[in-house]
Amino acid sequence: DIQMTQSPSSLSASVGDRVTITCRASQSIESYLNWYQQKPGKAPNLLIFAASSLQSGVPSRFSGSGSGTDFTLTISSLQTEDFATYYCLQTYTTPWTFGQGTKVEIK
Amino acid sequence: EVQLVQSGAEVKKSGESLKISCKGSGYRFSNHWIGWVRQMAGGGLEWMGIIYPGDSDTRYRPSFQGHITISADKSINTAYLHWSTLKASDTAMYYCAIGPAAGRYFDFWGQGTLVTVSS
Repeated sequence: DIQMTQSPSSLSASVGDRVTITCRASQSIESYLNWYQQKPGKAPNLLIFAASSLQSGVPSRFSGSGSGTDFTLTISSLQTEDFATYYCLQTYTTPWTFGQGTKVEIK
Repeated sequence: EVQLVQSGAEVKKSGESLKISCKGSGYRFSNHWIGWVRQMAGGGLEWMGIIYPGDSDTRYRPSFQGHITISADKSINTAYLHWSTLKASDTAMYYCAIGPAAGRYFDFWGQGTLVTVSS
């Protein structure tokens, strides 16, 4: 299985901060990397697909980059509604695998 | 409008069987992979497996294979997740999700089904 190592596992930030979350794959996954946001009690919500494509309806402050083994999700200016847990998901090959998650909390 | 509606919460005992469902609407059911994702209390997301309803091609995460069965009935646009023998460790929230016909990701999710298994 491809292992996805996500970091950090949690972070504290303030409204307006720039936030960066990374995912590293145990082998090349080309650009088959997707990012999700999950709020408590809710299903995950797709933010970024294919490493850098913004899902329709997602604010432009979210962006993704990377290819191969190293990927980044950036929130350019953190808003109140962005406090949540974020997961990466590789879909290069089955079994698809999620990162461990990054909880973004209010500082 | 694409919708995935999952069956309601279940409370079962260890050793019992269970089948939960996920009914799709608003899209061509046969042409989209449907996956199942587990989330244990306070934990992360775990991909369990996926099925292509058009030809029933099914893939499992190795750690789940043999313990669960994923199936789909395209005549009623419904996918299923089945356990023949539940364990207390199966207690979790289970989500179904679909992706675009030509893409490799999940872009629509069901509301989740909470399964509680007592020992």
